[in-house]
Amino acid sequence: DSGVTQTPKHLITATGQRVTLRCSPRSGDLSVYWYQQSLDQGLQFLIQYYNGEERAKGNILERFSAQQFPDLHSELNLSSLELGDSALYFCASSVTNTGIGDTQYFGPGTRLTVL
Amino acid sequence: GENVEQHPSTLSVQEGDSAVIKCTYSDSASNYFPWYKQELGKRPQLIIDIRSNVGEKKDQRIAVTLNKTAKHFSLHITETQPEDSAVYFCAASKVYGNKLVFGAGTILRVKS
Repeated sequence: DSGVTQTPKHLITATGQRVTLRCSPRSGDLSVYWYQQSLDQGLQFLIQYYNGEERAKGNILERFSAQQFPDLHSELNLSSLELGDSALYFCASSVTNTGIGDTQYFGPGTRLTVL
Repeated sequence: GENVEQHPSTLSVQEGDSAVIKCTYSDSASNYFPWYKQELGKRPQLIIDIRSNVGEKKDQRIAVTLNKTAKHFSLHITETQPEDSAVYFCAASKVYGNKLVFGAGTILRVKS
């Protein structure tokens, strides 16, 4: 158990819908990262938050957005869902955004299926 | 941006043999290189990492080597066991904006 929690574990929804994925980082970690894992794209970085502020953006679609709350949990919002959004979504957390490589610990993931 | 290539894509070894997975990266500013093990449907789990001020690191049966000049790093697993069977990912990141750029993964099968 990494100490990072994600809910829900599974999500099945229809095209065009909107969903929210939730992540709670390890105690003491200030950075939260979101990654998407699909069969054809592998593990792709989406977005990073540090202490409530957006720090880095990857290949995140405009239909996707995220935020980090004062209690440091984060939510990833996916809207106008398409079949191709079906994937495993992982959240990871690390202590800080500075220094040479902060170890990232991954949560159990949310498996999203869009029908 | 950073690009990480990983080879081989699949690797089958006999129990007790060694396994080596290699990665190359493109951005010379990268200085942190973790390796993750992922079992089917589970989270990626960090197994070892190395920073650019170190050339080699070992943890029991697992070792990682880094060649900054050639921009490549490798994972070595000795005395492989069936429970080592999984997908292994290498990754790279820089000091600021610590997003991880992952390789495509290597499916390791250890045959008993």
